[in-house]
Amino acid sequence: DIQMTQSPSSLSASVGDRVTITCRASQSITYYLNWYQHKPGKAPKLLIYAASTLQSGVPSRFSGSGSGTDFTLTISSLQPEDFATYYCQQSYGTPWTFGQGTKVDIK
Amino acid sequence: QTQLQESGPGLVKASQTLSLTCSVSGVSTSNGRYYWSWIRQPAGKGLEWIGRVYTSGSTDFNPSLKSRVTISLDTSKNQFSLKLSSVTAADTAVYYCAREHDSGPREYFFDFWGQGILVTVSS
Repeated sequence: DIQMTQSPSSLSASVGDRVTITCRASQSITYYLNWYQHKPGKAPKLLIYAASTLQSGVPSRFSGSGSGTDFTLTISSLQPEDFATYYCQQSYGTPWTFGQGTKVDIK
Repeated sequence: QTQLQESGPGLVKASQTLSLTCSVSGVSTSNGRYYWSWIRQPAGKGLEWIGRVYTSGSTDFNPSLKSRVTISLDTSKNQFSLKLSSVTAADTAVYYCAREHDSGPREYFFDFWGQGILVTVSS
């Protein structure tokens, strides 16, 4: 299985901050990497697929980059509704695997 | 708008079979652009993909669960189902159903999810 490792596991930030979350794959997955936002009690939400393609309806403050084994999710200006847990997921090969999550909370 | 909703017992006894159904609205489960997946999350842990079913009825499973999992599709009811046999406390988790979009070679992503259902395995 391809192992996905996110860092940090949690971070505290303020509204307006620029936030960066990284995801590393245990082998090259080219650009087959997706990002999700998850709030407690709600359905996870797709933010970005294929490393950098913004899902329809997702605010442009979210962006993704990277290829090979190293990927980044950036929130350019954190908004109150962005406090959540973020997960990366590889779609290079089954079984699909997720990172362990990065919880973003209020500083 | 596509919506998915999980249903089933919230409590299952150890050694028995966990059975869940995902009801889909807003899109046909016979649409060949999509797979239909199950994913779970034990408390305090990350997300684990369980497996998926395609409109043809073909399935793929996580090898870690393959021997215990059955996923089936009922296009007439626009539903798909999960059965997990011989459950233990380690199977206690929130179970999600999700639509997996096939956007091209290797370009798969979960674009719609249910809200999840907590299933507790009791001894």
